[in-house]
Amino acid sequence: GQNIDQPTEMTATEGAIVQINCTYQTSGFNGLFWYQQHAGEAPTFLSYNVLDGLEEKGRFSSFLSRSKGYSYLLLKELQMKDSASYLCAVRDTDSWGKLQFGAGTQVVVTP
Amino acid sequence: KAGVTQTPRYLIKTRGQQVTLSCSPISGHRSVSWYQQTPGQGLQFLFEYFSETQRNKGNFPGRFSGRQFSNSRSEMNVSTLELGDSALYLCASSQPAGASTDTQYFGPGTRLTVL
Repeated sequence: GQNIDQPTEMTATEGAIVQINCTYQTSGFNGLFWYQQHAGEAPTFLSYNVLDGLEEKGRFSSFLSRSKGYSYLLLKELQMKDSASYLCAVRDTDSWGKLQFGAGTQVVVTP
Repeated sequence: KAGVTQTPRYLIKTRGQQVTLSCSPISGHRSVSWYQQTPGQGLQFLFEYFSETQRNKGNFPGRFSGRQFSNSRSEMNVSTLELGDSALYLCASSQPAGASTDTQYFGPGTRLTVL
């Protein structure tokens, strides 16, 4: 099984940077995903990490340390539209189509 | 390319009834996974289908079932509905190409309310 932890809520001001941490405990690991979900909408894919290191994609970056069971999502130059829930999800080695999700981190961007 | 589509978008049923939800994956995607999302439990994996075969199943009772057709479209069925089945049911599709980068893309979901 897997245990995935992320903070419940974070607040930041427009233009700032926010880092959302995710820790996981797993018997197997085959990739970590970050999704963004606005209220009432479906999750949308943001980033994917399977090797250690930083992946940058515009204002969003994601980092992975497999030895520490740790990832973070970095949101830069925050905009009001970034107010959403951010979901960390891990794929196991023997469950290709199965993602185990954390509870999500609600990010609130204030003016 | 069209995204994942799910029908219906909203559904209201009463306890004891059964319901069938439909999912059409992105063209070319052969894997379809289903998830249940509730405020208390978050996103939980139900099952995954690939080439008409169930590959993985989550920890849900047998009232929850699914299938996949030769065109990769998938349906899930919930029988003998309970109040606790009220949730957003999400379908996600991926190719998969067998690469670790295979990404799941979600449909808009079906909001099921059980009265």
